[in-house]
Amino acid sequence: QQPVQSPQAVILREGEDAVINCSSSKALYSVHWYRQKHGEAPVFLMILLKGGEQKGHEKISASFNEKKQQSSLYLTASQLSYSGTYFCGTIPPGNMLTFGGGTRLMVKP
Amino acid sequence: KAGVTQTPRYLIKTRGQQVTLSCSPISGHRSVSWYQQTPGQGLQFLFEYFSETQRNKGNFPGRFSGRQFSNSRSEMNVSTLELGDSALYLCASSLMTDSMNTEAFFGQGTRLTVV
Repeated sequence: QQPVQSPQAVILREGEDAVINCSSSKALYSVHWYRQKHGEAPVFLMILLKGGEQKGHEKISASFNEKKQQSSLYLTASQLSYSGTYFCGTIPPGNMLTFGGGTRLMVKP
Repeated sequence: KAGVTQTPRYLIKTRGQQVTLSCSPISGHRSVSWYQQTPGQGLQFLFEYFSETQRNKGNFPGRFSGRQFSNSRSEMNVSTLELGDSALYLCASSLMTDSMNTEAFFGQGTRLTVV
């Protein structure tokens, strides 16, 4: 079963912050985050393996709440280059990376 | 090093035909996964192969099949094509056996159009 992402789309001005949420109805072993720009392949951002783990990539960070089976991606002081579709991928029991429906992020000047 | 290579990049087929897509993973990567991407459904998992064995399979009909060769290259086949099979098919390779903590590298995909 696919994890659920919210919001489905968000429009920001440069410099604004955004949060993308990912939740699953199943217990999770790990959460993966990828970004796909229009016409390109998805590109890896980060993996969170433990409950409560937080990671960062430049001004993009994420947290993983294992108990709630949720992860959030935080984009701080967004840049034009952050535009794209963000996917969370989850590994439930069965070891199969399953992606959510994606969140379209558009950053405007 | 070279990335994940998928061929062909674009394909147009007629309903009822079959198609074979190819994926060459990054050198040294032994795990290959396939995904179907459509505007409404996001990335849907098809199957995963490791060392020529299918480890996981998504919820797709039996018309979708795949295989992996000893050099880790993988193919997927779709028989009796339907209009709804039109999509971008993405292949991803990863290095380790444990996909829980491994980054997946995606190819550019094959855009299949069924008419």
